[in-house]
Order: sequence, then C-alpha cells, then structure tokens
Amino acid sequence: ILNVEQSPQSLHVQEGDSTNFTCSFPSSNFYALHWYRWETAKSPEALFVMTLNGDEKKKGRISATLNTKEGYSYLYIKGSQPEDSATYLCASVNTGNQFYFGTGTSLTVIP
Amino acid sequence: DTEVTQTPKHLVMGMTNKKSLKCEQHMGHRAMYWYKQKAKKPPELMFVYSYEKLSINESVPSRFSPECPNSSLLNLHLHALQPEDSALYLCASSQVDSRPGEQYFGPGTRLTVT
Repeated sequence: ILNVEQSPQSLHVQEGDSTNFTCSFPSSNFYALHWYRWETAKSPEALFVMTLNGDEKKKGRISATLNTKEGYSYLYIKGSQPEDSATYLCASVNTGNQFYFGTGTSLTVIP
Repeated sequence: DTEVTQTPKHLVMGMTNKKSLKCEQHMGHRAMYWYKQKAKKPPELMFVYSYEKLSINESVPSRFSPECPNSSLLNLHLHALQPEDSALYLCASSQVDSRPGEQYFGPGTRLTVT
C-alpha cells in the first residue's frame, strides 16, 4: 500500500488570502496524481489529473503542480473565497491503476 | 449526466441484520468501485468491477458481498457486520479504457453498526 500524505491536515484562512497545500507520494511505479475537492455531504469532485513531471494545471483560481521525481504535488488557491471551503483530497495512482488516497486537507475560508 | 447516486444516505443496522447499499451511474462507465472511509482516514479501496466482473477484491471480509447486476448498478450486500465496520462507504465509477481514469464519486452512505 502506498503512503500518500497531505499537509496541513486543516487550514483556516481569511477571505482574499492565497493558500497552498501539499500532497506527497512515493515516486516508484507512479502513473498519475489526482486532486479532488470534497464538500461536506456532497460527492468528491475531480479537480485535476496530472501524469508528467512538471505538469501544471489551472482551473479558475485553483492550480496544481506535479514533481514526480521527488514525489510531491502542490495545490494553490489564489484569493480564497468562502465557497472554497472544503476538504481537498489527493490520490496517487500506480501503474496497476490502483488509487491511494491521502487523508485530505480541510480548508475553511473565513469571510 | 455526470452524477453517481448512492442510496441510502444513512443506514443504521444491527449485527444480525442483512442490508444492501446501492450505487447507480448513467455515464456509460464500465468500471465501478467501492471504497470505505473511516473518520480522519483516507478512503480505502474495497472492490473494483470492470465490465461487470469483479477484478479487484482488496482482501475484504466475506460479510461484505459486492454485486454488479448490470453496467449501471453496483450493490454492496452487508451481513453480520461488526461495529468496527461503521464508516462512510463511497461508490465511484470511471471509464475503463482511458488512463489515467478519472473517478466520479457518489456522496456516500454513512453506515452505523450497532
């Protein structure tokens, strides 16, 4: 089983602040890295899928980067809004197409 | 329709009960998954169905019995569960042939075993 770690576990930021969190994963047998956004009582929503070292993806104010050699991905949120409050989950996918999730970073944006 | 639905949302059952969790998707996905998530832990894969056939069973106890009656439905039959089986059970689906397969999740069923 892969050990996927996310930090911090939780984060409180003021509206308008920019923030970022980390997902670290073993780099052996790596195939892809997924980021999900999970609001309470809703389904996890796919944000990004990245496969190549150096990949950068962007969706609105949210962006992500991938470093497969050192085994980490960053998720950035620019100008946080209250509606960004959610748990952000990453999952590392190995060459056997098995998903291993981190425990998530819980973000609260204070108006 | 990019939605995965799960019923029921909440379930409380005794250790001698038999119950079933249901999952449905109409995206034409031929891979479907059951995950178990305990509080403050990552979701853990339980079963994977590919083209309605069980392809991965992550050493899950036999008191959990999955079933995939057709390409849109996935069930998880529960019997003689233990209190430690209380958790959030998530269903997901994805395309089989495109990698890396993006998984679409349902909202989960919150199970409490008393």
